[in-house]
Amino acid sequence: GENVEQHPSTLSVQEGDSAVIKCTYSDSASNYFPWYKQELGKGPQLIIDIRSNVGEKKDQRIAVTLNKTAKHFSLHITETQPEDSAVYFCAAGYGQNFVFGPGTRLSVLP
Amino acid sequence: DAGVIQSPRHEVTEMGQEVTLRCKPISGHDYLFWYRQTMMRGLELLIYFNNNVPIDDSGMPEDRFSAKMPNASFSTLKIQPSEPRDSAVYFCASSLVGGGTDTQYFGPGTRLTVL
Repeated sequence: GENVEQHPSTLSVQEGDSAVIKCTYSDSASNYFPWYKQELGKGPQLIIDIRSNVGEKKDQRIAVTLNKTAKHFSLHITETQPEDSAVYFCAAGYGQNFVFGPGTRLSVLP
Repeated sequence: DAGVIQSPRHEVTEMGQEVTLRCKPISGHDYLFWYRQTMMRGLELLIYFNNNVPIDDSGMPEDRFSAKMPNASFSTLKIQPSEPRDSAVYFCASSLVGGGTDTQYFGPGTRLTVL
């Protein structure tokens, strides 16, 4: 089955700097790659997603890139703000399969 | 829309007691998922339903866990008897199309503590 790895497990950046989180997946059949943000005491919420027919997608300060050949995808957050502090999960899916990565705790320091 | 609704938000119980967690999915969503989140194991899919029918329950840890979806707007996850190792946050999520290629909308979770 699908296996998703995520790095780093924790990340601290200064406010205004960029943050990058990377994920790798094992099943070449996966064609949907969402990113979820989980704030303290809340459920994960989708922030951006990408499908296998697209290499990059941007939404304001957030971007995701996908390299299907290498089976990895990344989340990029620019101009980080304190409210970006949260746990971020990547996931990979196809058909009826959907697997989350272990998560990255991002801390944005003022 | 109010989003996915879960109750209770917090549950504290003693070992051996029965626990029932409740979920109301987003109206019109055909898929419902139950997840468990712990520090050690992260987010684990326990079971999911399509049109009220359980499709995959391979993630349910033991026979002590059971889930039902009697109608399109309500699902329960029951643990009987509960054990301290069941302590976790349990999330319900729903999606429109389902499967591995659709957005899942998560509820706020139920934090379960078994003493």
